[in-house]
Amino acid sequence: QSALTQPASVSGSPGQSITISCTGTSSDVGGYNYVSWYQQHPGKAPRLMIYDVSNRPSGVSNRFSGSKSGNTASLTISGLQAEDEAHYYCSSYTTSNTLVFGGGTKVAVL
Amino acid sequence: QVQLVESGGGLVKPGGSLRLSCAASGFTFSDYCMSWIRQAPGKGLEWVSYTATRSSSFTNYADSVKGRFTISRDNAKNSLYLQMNSLRAEDTAVYYCARDRSGWFLVHDSWGQGTLVAVSS
Repeated sequence: QSALTQPASVSGSPGQSITISCTGTSSDVGGYNYVSWYQQHPGKAPRLMIYDVSNRPSGVSNRFSGSKSGNTASLTISGLQAEDEAHYYCSSYTTSNTLVFGGGTKVAVL
Repeated sequence: QVQLVESGGGLVKPGGSLRLSCAASGFTFSDYCMSWIRQAPGKGLEWVSYTATRSSSFTNYADSVKGRFTISRDNAKNSLYLQMNSLRAEDTAVYYCARDRSGWFLVHDSWGQGTLVAVSS
């Protein structure tokens, strides 16, 4: 199972909105609404930000939102803040009954 | 609060074995499915294995570790394990223990701090 495709890096200025894409196939992202997004700061464990495409766990800021169209899922961060600078990973269930992650996107706040 | 603490990592030679442990607290361990997820140095996340609430009921593995790794749990001890055999250089990674909130292995809402496994001669 190949990793989902994410851009290596995305950047934005404080207050702006950015969107991170996560592209798979009909065997994973496109076939199920089981896409999650995780935030990881350097040296730290990942943190769940979005699950089931667009649901936010309690405690996660509403500046984070998720969506999906076809084989591509997206994470949007609005009102970008310095603390949002981190790596972000998407994940999806697959028809092989496994879980696949994206390669990760480094978000830089300019 | 939910706490997951991994242990058992270290340096091992290719072909060797290692057993990782994860001690859980702050929640009813037996109610949750659990996974191991790893991250090679400077790389992304890779799901490794999952066990249902009772390890005798259902387990699943990534193709990259199938036949070499075995996941298990002891609900009486609130502990998750990963027995790793026939280790390869490409198994070098930080191994995270993660709790699932989906009732399966799809959504991991709590993670440990990780334990580093290095496979090298």
